[in-house]
Amino acid sequence: EAQVTQNPRYLITVTGKKLTVTCSQNMNHEYMSWYRQDPGLGLRQIYYSMNVEVTDKGDVPEGYKVSRKEKRNFPLILESPSPNQTSLYFCASSFGRNTEAFFGQGTRLTVV
Amino acid sequence: GDSVTQMEGPVTLSEEAFLTINCTYTATGYPSLFWYVQYPGEGLQLLLKATKADDKGSNKGFEATYRKETTSFHLEKGSVQVSDSAVYFCAPRDQTGANNLFFGTGTRLTVIP
Repeated sequence: EAQVTQNPRYLITVTGKKLTVTCSQNMNHEYMSWYRQDPGLGLRQIYYSMNVEVTDKGDVPEGYKVSRKEKRNFPLILESPSPNQTSLYFCASSFGRNTEAFFGQGTRLTVV
Repeated sequence: GDSVTQMEGPVTLSEEAFLTINCTYTATGYPSLFWYVQYPGEGLQLLLKATKADDKGSNKGFEATYRKETTSFHLEKGSVQVSDSAVYFCAPRDQTGANNLFFGTGTRLTVIP
């Protein structure tokens, strides 16, 4: 089954404790991205990657890092989480131009 | 820069009512246009898409037509059901540079029996 898998689905952590949210896709997609969803703001892009070892900032990259060492994986790293990073996070992948993006189920992160 | 404006929600309709959710956008070039739907507790799913002017995307009774002259992609359904209750996102995808999807704020629809 074609899918984008995120882990964990739910996470509560404390300020400053490094964490990683994993994202994996099994569709051989070149393009992957991370979004955060906040009430009244819709989805905002954090980072994206157009291929292995090619990543770039989206609209709200501050406080986040990503890596793309393999085509299928695109982890999101919070080196020192803060409460303003409490949000619902989505990973997405696609082939590229004109094609639909497939989304993961989301990771609800709470930073206390 | 690129942006999309969606009809403010929430929208509450009775079952079998007609639905319109407005979407207009500004974009560099000639974007592809998508509507995504998010059911409670789930990720986003593609509802329909259109890739060129005058194309009509359709799925599950929903339709939207790519209107280049008005830069709009309004979502319509003739008769909504309770199961259509969800959040709907209009999302152009730019065809230049990074080829990113960009999203509106979403419109929450509640359909009551």
